[in-house]
Amino acid sequence: KNEVEQSPQNLTAQEEEFITINCSYSVGISALHWLQQHPGGGIVSLFMLSSGKKKHGRLIATINIQEKHSSLHITASHPRDSAVYICAVGLKAGNEKLTFGTGTRLTIIP
Amino acid sequence: EPEVTQTPSHQVTQMGQEVILRCVPISNHLYFYWYRQILGQKVEFLVSFYNNEISEKSEIFDDQFSVERPDGSNFTLKIRSTKLEDSAMYFCASSDMGGTQYFGPGTRLLVL
Repeated sequence: KNEVEQSPQNLTAQEEEFITINCSYSVGISALHWLQQHPGGGIVSLFMLSSGKKKHGRLIATINIQEKHSSLHITASHPRDSAVYICAVGLKAGNEKLTFGTGTRLTIIP
Repeated sequence: EPEVTQTPSHQVTQMGQEVILRCVPISNHLYFYWYRQILGQKVEFLVSFYNNEISEKSEIFDDQFSVERPDGSNFTLKIRSTKLEDSAMYFCASSDMGGTQYFGPGTRLLVL
């Protein structure tokens, strides 16, 4: 059974700050997903990665397979980035169930 | 942009009643999932569905739960006899061969 740990649980930062959210997992995986959950509850997929680094706009996700660790970075943070960010992992190649972390609640203050 | 839709957005039911949660996945997707999130807790996997059959299910997905793809577009989750502890947000998701899962907006179920 894979355990997915995220840190920090809560993060409050000023607008424009560089944000880092960390995720570690216990068992080898096929892919790691970063998701964003809005205050209303909806979940949006941000990244799916199995190695290296991906970038989309101000968001960057990295993964280190050997260390079983991933980070999500947000550059030039903005209040609209305030949400819960969730790390989830899949164990098998291809389409598969996800095991979720508990999420990091990010609040960006203007 | 295509999206996963779910109905109803909210459902209140009495304990012991049957509920059916409905989902319309993205049209060319082949893999379908149900997850749930109890208030304040993390999202949990319930079941995955591919090629008209269950491909994997969790311990939560007991005999009270069933899934169906009745008409090639809808994907439903039925809870036969609801319990108080079934109160949660239920998310449907779908994916294509690429593996990224697209989530619906969720159905908030409250069992009284």
